[in-house]
Amino acid sequence: QKEVEQNSGPLSVPEGAIASLNCTYSDRVSQSFFWYRQYSGKSPELIMSIYSNGDKEDGRFTAQLNKASQYVSLLIRDSQPSDSATYLCAVARTGGYQKVTFGTGTKLQVIP
Amino acid sequence: DTAVSQTPKYLVTQMGNDKSIKCEQNLGHDTMYWYKQDSKKFLKIMFSYNNKELIINETVPNRFSPKSPDKAHLNLHINSLELGDSAVYFCASSQGYGTSGNTDTQYFGPGTRLTVL
Repeated sequence: QKEVEQNSGPLSVPEGAIASLNCTYSDRVSQSFFWYRQYSGKSPELIMSIYSNGDKEDGRFTAQLNKASQYVSLLIRDSQPSDSATYLCAVARTGGYQKVTFGTGTKLQVIP
Repeated sequence: DTAVSQTPKYLVTQMGNDKSIKCEQNLGHDTMYWYKQDSKKFLKIMFSYNNKELIINETVPNRFSPKSPDKAHLNLHINSLELGDSAVYFCASSQGYGTSGNTDTQYFGPGTRLTVL
């Protein structure tokens, strides 16, 4: 079982729709969760971090965390063609020398 | 101003050669990382340094040797390059390594695309 699992996609959504990206993780002591966006040929950039169960909203982005189910998701409202990218889920434990473990990413395509 | 920079951006070399990639950050961060991203986009940590001290050393062949002359620089030297070393190598930095309780945000450099022929 992979430590962080994501559906590779591509996930295709029409412009203006809600894109839902999902991620599951295997390490129950994970406490920090991140969503990175990576455009083709570019470096990953952080778009959301979440540490507590529930929802966290930032503009058009909402991260959802359910530690009991070991599940984290990212919702993108009013999807735009500029949102087309690969979204990487990442998790880490707290304390000590932390290692961030990345999923293989979900490729999102927003169709104009 | 570039926060995390890497040189070179592209590196094409023959099998068996030795090459180095350099990374510099001007964010004043204490922690730096090397990641390898393969053709399937899997991003995997290789090494991490905090204030010039090695703190994470994943299962990486001995041919890979990181070096941090100061906390703003982290270089990666690769000996006897192999075909399987072809990948994009990303340098990243963060303020700390999570002692505050939450993992610090990592800022990535633009990457170095290494092609071994």
